[in-house]
Amino acid sequence: AQSVTQLDSQVPVFEEAPVELRCNYSSSVSVYLFWYVQYPNQGLQLLLKYLSGSTLVKGINGFEAEFNKSQTSFHLRKPSVHISDTAEYFCAVSRTDSWGKLQFGAGTQVVVTP
Amino acid sequence: EAGVTQFPSHSVIEKGQTVTLRCDPISGHDNLYWYRRVMGKEIKFLLHFVKESKQDESGMPNNRFLAERTGGTYSTLKVQPAELEDSGVYFCASSQSGELFFGEGSRLTVL
Repeated sequence: AQSVTQLDSQVPVFEEAPVELRCNYSSSVSVYLFWYVQYPNQGLQLLLKYLSGSTLVKGINGFEAEFNKSQTSFHLRKPSVHISDTAEYFCAVSRTDSWGKLQFGAGTQVVVTP
Repeated sequence: EAGVTQFPSHSVIEKGQTVTLRCDPISGHDNLYWYRRVMGKEIKFLLHFVKESKQDESGMPNNRFLAERTGGTYSTLKVQPAELEDSGVYFCASSQSGELFFGEGSRLTVL
């Protein structure tokens, strides 16, 4: 079984400041890692994913994440946020043999203010 | 190209009533998933269809939930009878062979 822990339920941040959202996971088998975003009144949208290869993954909208196997972490970062980045962010994992079956974290609400 | 569509967007029913949620996946996507987020909890996997077959229904909470995907196109999720703890947002997602595309969700409120 897998589990995902998002360490912050809410992160307030000023516009143009950097942001880091923390995600730790546990699993006894190999997994794929994902970050999804949900903007208000919209569905979940894939930001980025780690399947294999380079541990630094770049996604849409200027986001990136780094896979750290020894620390079982997959933290999400953006160097400079915009008001439009206000949303809820979800870290998720899946087994490599069933990658549509996602195990989600509890979500982190990011609120960007001017 | 149309995305994943779900309806109703919001349904309010009384305990003991029946509700049917519908999901129309992206055309051509064989894989269809149902997830739900109960208030204050994580988004949880419910089940996975490949075409019209249930590939994995390990996340279905109990036998009050029935999912179907006749003809391998749209899917329905019926809750009968609904209980208070069924309140939450039900998400549908579809994929062909990779990325999941999610709908906006159907919010269910059971009073």
